[in-house]
Amino acid sequence: SQTIHQWPATLVQPVGSPLSLECTVEGTSNPNLYWYRQAAGRGLQLLFYSVGIGQISSEVPQNLSASRPQDRQFILSSKKLLLSDSGFYLCAWTDSSNQPQHFGDGTRLSIL
Amino acid sequence: KNQVEQSPQSLIILEGKNCTLQCNYTVSPFSNLRWYKQDTGRGPVSLTIMTFSENTKSNGRYTATLDADTKQSSLHITASQLSDSASYICVVRGVESGGSYIPTFGRGTSLIVHP
Repeated sequence: SQTIHQWPATLVQPVGSPLSLECTVEGTSNPNLYWYRQAAGRGLQLLFYSVGIGQISSEVPQNLSASRPQDRQFILSSKKLLLSDSGFYLCAWTDSSNQPQHFGDGTRLSIL
Repeated sequence: KNQVEQSPQSLIILEGKNCTLQCNYTVSPFSNLRWYKQDTGRGPVSLTIMTFSENTKSNGRYTATLDADTKQSSLHITASQLSDSASYICVVRGVESGGSYIPTFGRGTSLIVHP
């Protein structure tokens, strides 16, 4: 069966520090991968999506970046975090437009 | 611009009561519509999916309806339970090109079920 793992579950970082959130998927090949951010009381905002290794599309301008070094690994990074980067970050995958997106349990990021 | 609007924003009901959540969308051309349930601090989980030709689909106590002409969907929860307390998100997929699947998310309805 397919599983998706995100870590860490919670993270507290100072302003200006770097960030690396990792997401891995098991049990499937060549999935579409997504990074979302969900601010308190808001909907999910798509940050990045990837249809294959090394293929990254960005939906919104920001100081975050994403990479897909392996087929089932998706990494969200930042060189210098801003206060506005606080939020709940969710990774998701799907392998078909007729299949649901499967979400990880998210990372709660707090910037101090 | 593709949009998904949900109402109400929040809802409080007593355990055992029924409720209906609404979703209006402007995504075109339409592919499918899903309802997700998101427990606090967790990722969303798919409840139902509906395509253009489907009017009603049930998943236990959850029943989703779709009117593709008016671009409206509803999620009806029957005999609510405390565990139904969550955010319910309507997600609409259009017909994309180039192999990318990018759905449009509503902001969700926050449901609280009181004993």
